[in-house]
Amino acid sequence: AQKITQTQPGMFVQEKEAVTLDCTYDTSDQSYGLFWYKQPSSGEMIFLIYQGSYDEQNATEGRYSLNFQKARKSANLVISASQLGDSAMYFCAMRETSLTSYDKVIFGPGTSLSVIP
Amino acid sequence: DTEVTQTPKHLVMGMTNKKSLKCEQHMGHRAMYWYKQKAKKPPELMFVYSYEKLSINESVPSRFSPECPNSSLLNLHLHALQPEDSALYLCASRRTGDSGELFFGEGSRLTVL
Repeated sequence: AQKITQTQPGMFVQEKEAVTLDCTYDTSDQSYGLFWYKQPSSGEMIFLIYQGSYDEQNATEGRYSLNFQKARKSANLVISASQLGDSAMYFCAMRETSLTSYDKVIFGPGTSLSVIP
Repeated sequence: DTEVTQTPKHLVMGMTNKKSLKCEQHMGHRAMYWYKQKAKKPPELMFVYSYEKLSINESVPSRFSPECPNSSLLNLHLHALQPEDSALYLCASRRTGDSGELFFGEGSRLTVL
């Protein structure tokens, strides 16, 4: 069964500093995808970045990068140069791409990030 | 602007009412999702439709009834709900392919009195 752990319920970061949000996952599948989403207080879920299990390079999207360590089953999100607008809940998510659970996307418990001016 | 549109944005209903939540997307995505989210909790998967067929039902009580009339529309019919069903209901769609991320609507905030 899939499982995602985010061990940091809340994090603080100074504006313009970098921050790492932790995510570990558990799956028996060899093929899967990992995602990070941001949810501001307005409630909308915003896709940030994707990493496939067979991707050899870490994904990057602007100020977001994913530190993927497959052997450790971790997929940490790094946000560089934090901005006040980065204050939000951040969810790590996973989709196994095996035939039996191809559509299933589950979310970790989330980390609340607060950016301090 | 979100490309997944959910209506209504807010809904208040009594335990004996019947209501429906609606979700629409025109991105050509063939997988559509319903999630339930309580405050300060992650989205919890309820149903998935793939090519207009129900592919996942996460043991959701029968008072929630999904429907996918066509590839662009997804409904969630609500009947005899309980106060603990009050939550944000999120619809999402996903393009085919392994790297397809979910595109979410803004959600329907449901209050059951």
